[in-house]
Amino acid sequence: SQQGEEDPQALSIQEGENATMNCSYKTSINNLQWYRQNSGRGLVHLILIRSNEREKHSGRLRVTLDTSKKSSSLLITASRAADTASYFCATGINDMRFGAGTRLTVKP
Amino acid sequence: EAQVTQNPRYLITVTGKKLTVTCSQNMNHEYMSWYRQDPGLGLRQIYYSMNVEVTDKGDVPEGYKVSRKEKRNFPLILESPSPNQTSLYFCASSPSGPRETQYFGPGTRLLVL
Repeated sequence: SQQGEEDPQALSIQEGENATMNCSYKTSINNLQWYRQNSGRGLVHLILIRSNEREKHSGRLRVTLDTSKKSSSLLITASRAADTASYFCATGINDMRFGAGTRLTVKP
Repeated sequence: EAQVTQNPRYLITVTGKKLTVTCSQNMNHEYMSWYRQDPGLGLRQIYYSMNVEVTDKGDVPEGYKVSRKEKRNFPLILESPSPNQTSLYFCASSPSGPRETQYFGPGTRLLVL
């Protein structure tokens, strides 16, 4: 079963706009990670936020974590066409659980 | 270059013909795992290994076997492939487990006829 569930399933925006993706999970976590996947390729790690952190930034990425609501969000600011990809959240203790992903399309 | 490699990258086979997909990492990572990715289902973990000679089932282990005889290698074995195992497979590794960044291989696209 999936641990993380991303919302929305698909998102289409114009270049320069911000993109927000949400992730909900079911059980307690040590950390939550976000990954990016370009069409059919291997996943690339974007950012890891620990359970005792509420917000984390990395370049144009901002991740928030609300453990009381068991949810996280990924914000990509000033999006570019090159940000077009699928984005996944993932959590795990020993095993690793990924959500189904959000497919982001950024139109030039 | 630090990386996870998988072979083959593409494979077409027939039902029942045993196959092995190899996975190797050169980062001295303890944790390795296999996933399958199917449309609309995201990644589902098949097996993982916390260290040499230690393997555990993930979410969807049925029809698969793994072994971890050496730290760097974690082959995925399909003893008798079936069409429902047609999928995109990824191997990944991390220094010590899911609490850290996972490094993914490029994927193996498998078609079972």
